[in-house]
Amino acid sequence: RKEVEQDPGPFNVPEGATVAFNCTYSNSASQSFFWYRQDCRKEPKLLMSVYSSGNEDGRFTAQLNRASQYISLLIRDSKLSDSATYLCVVSYNQGGKLIFGQGTELSVKP
Amino acid sequence: DTGVSQDPRHKITKRGQNVTFRCDPISEHNRLYWYRQTLGQGPEFLTYFQNEAQLEKSRLLSDRFSAERPKGSFSTLEIQRTEQGDSAMYLCASREEGQENNEQFFGPGTRLTVL
Repeated sequence: RKEVEQDPGPFNVPEGATVAFNCTYSNSASQSFFWYRQDCRKEPKLLMSVYSSGNEDGRFTAQLNRASQYISLLIRDSKLSDSATYLCVVSYNQGGKLIFGQGTELSVKP
Repeated sequence: DTGVSQDPRHKITKRGQNVTFRCDPISEHNRLYWYRQTLGQGPEFLTYFQNEAQLEKSRLLSDRFSAERPKGSFSTLEIQRTEQGDSAMYLCASREEGQENNEQFFGPGTRLTVL
């Protein structure tokens, strides 16, 4: 079983749609949680950190449920430029390695 | 450009050859990480350094792989006797000790193709 699991997609949605990605992690000792975005043939870049209280950044909302070991990302009013692979990431400690899910591919169509 | 840089960006080699990749982290970052990414998968951790000390190595890092960071600045990743299964994108990342969040900044990667 992978340490971080995501639905690989692809998710094909029209512009303006709301799309939700889910992720589960197996190690209850995980301390830090993130969503990274990776454009085709580019490096991953941090989209947002995920906090227990939930957090929002514009059209993006991230949620963490430690009891269920579940992380989510909601994208509202999706744009063509949101097309990318979204990587769910956990870390066991500050400064340590990142553990990535396989990524969920999103394609936003006009 | 003050981001993480990697060289070369692409490398094609024949099976059995040795290859070496270089990573230059963001200058004030003392932690440097190597990851490997194959098609359709997320990056997988290989190893990381704090300054010149190699603090952790994944079991993915077989004895054909060696990484160094001799002066605590740039790092090299060498693969000896390459195999076709080594074909992947090799990503380097860095972060600063004491940074508030755990964000790692990634370089553009070195894409290795082993024929």
